[in-house]
Amino acid sequence: GQNIDQPTEMTATEGAIVQINCTYQTSGFNGLFWYQQHAGEAPTFLSYNVLDGLEEKGRFSSFLSRSKGYSYLLLKELQMKDSASYLCAVRDPSGNTPLVFGKGTRLSVIA
Amino acid sequence: ETGVTQTPRHLVMGMTNKKSLKCEQHLGHNAMYWYKQSAKKPLELMFVYSLEERVENNSVPSRFSPECPNSSHLFLHLHTLQPEDSALYLCASSQARGTDTQYFGPGTRLTVL
Repeated sequence: GQNIDQPTEMTATEGAIVQINCTYQTSGFNGLFWYQQHAGEAPTFLSYNVLDGLEEKGRFSSFLSRSKGYSYLLLKELQMKDSASYLCAVRDPSGNTPLVFGKGTRLSVIA
Repeated sequence: ETGVTQTPRHLVMGMTNKKSLKCEQHLGHNAMYWYKQSAKKPLELMFVYSLEERVENNSVPSRFSPECPNSSHLFLHLHTLQPEDSALYLCASSQARGTDTQYFGPGTRLTVL
C-alpha cells in the first residue's frame, strides 16, 4: 500500500524556524518531493531528495532518511508570505501513480 | 509563471451540463496529468498521458473523459457530474512520465450544483 503522513496544520512566528515532517510507507521509492501551494494557486516545486541527507536551497532545506521513511522541510527566517500548504509527495515506481501525495500541511505564519 | 495554463479558472455547472476543462503546457514536456484536489484530501491522480499512452486511474468515473490531441494540450470533458465532484482540478506536466518534476497549472475551481 501507499501512505503519506504529515501534520494537518502548523503555526509559527515571523522570523522563526519551522520543521514540517513527512513519513511515508510505499511499496517502492524513487524520490521525495516538497511542493508549496498558496490558497487558490498551483502547487510549485520546492525540493527533491532521492539520497539520504540534507538539501539546502536558500531559506528552505529538505532532509531525507530512506531507512526511516522520513523527510522534513525546514523553513528558516519565516516570512508572512510563507503561509501556505506544503505538500509531501513520494515517487513510487512500483505503482500506477507516478507521484503519491500527502494531504498537505497548512502553515500559518503570525506576527 | 505561465508554463502550464488552464481555462477556465472557475466553472459552475448543473448536473445535466456538459463542459470541458482545457490545459496547455509551454514547456516542451511529453507527459501531462489531471489531478483532483478536494478539501482535506490528498491530491488524487485522475489521468496520465505520455506521448500516445494513457494511464488511467481505475477509480475515475466515466463521467470524466480525458483527451490529449497532442503533447501540449490536454482536455477533461465533463458530463452529468455530481455535487461531490466539486473540487479544484489541476493539470500538470513533466518531461517524462514518472521520472521528472511535475509542474502544475493554476487549476480550475469547479462547482457542481
